[in-house]
Amino acid sequence: DQQVKQNSPSLSVQEGRISILNCDYTNSMFDYFLWYKKYPAEGPTFLISISSIKDKNEDGRFTVFLNKSAKHLSLHIVPSQPGDSAVYFCAATGRIQGAQKLVFGQGTRLTINP
Amino acid sequence: ETGVTQTPRHLVMGMTNKKSLKCEQHLGHNAMYWYKQSAKKPLELMFVYSLEERVENNSVPSRFSPECPNSSHLFLHLHTLQPEDSALYLCASSQGPRGSYEKLFFGSGTQLSVL
Repeated sequence: DQQVKQNSPSLSVQEGRISILNCDYTNSMFDYFLWYKKYPAEGPTFLISISSIKDKNEDGRFTVFLNKSAKHLSLHIVPSQPGDSAVYFCAATGRIQGAQKLVFGQGTRLTINP
Repeated sequence: ETGVTQTPRHLVMGMTNKKSLKCEQHLGHNAMYWYKQSAKKPLELMFVYSLEERVENNSVPSRFSPECPNSSHLFLHLHTLQPEDSALYLCASSQGPRGSYEKLFFGSGTQLSVL
């Protein structure tokens, strides 16, 4: 039972255009969401997060949108740059069955073409 | 440089070997984690330590044995592994107590191959 899903294993975008990465979750107890970015041969690094009390959080070129009713969040990168090419993991956290849980999606490989 | 250092970066071992993965964090964090990343699968949590106490063990086989001697160091001892255990093993730390999953800081991982 995969509680956090990134249905697109890969995405290719032209440099300068907008990249949109999507993530769906199933458990309404998740109350905080994060995006991590991973380059080859490195560990994931935190990118941006959003609390369930908000529907948007922006940090420079990165914006995360949360649609609680649809249990869907998305990461927008604009304009996309070649250095954004990486694997992006969505993660959700919340108190589930008495314990704090953090669940990751499978990741989406983003390729920015010059 | 995330402040979390893992060694070795690569490890090849036979099924009868015993080896250990090491993780050290220089961030003054209270919680440390072991994750497993297999190809095309989500990161899987293996163990969580908070203030040197194991607070979570996600049904990990006993051939994986964690050790946390202090809040800055975490080990994963490996014994009689199987080929399906080949994966990237990631260590992480966070400031929050008792595995509260605040922002995680990951090491670069150990790419393990079991022959």
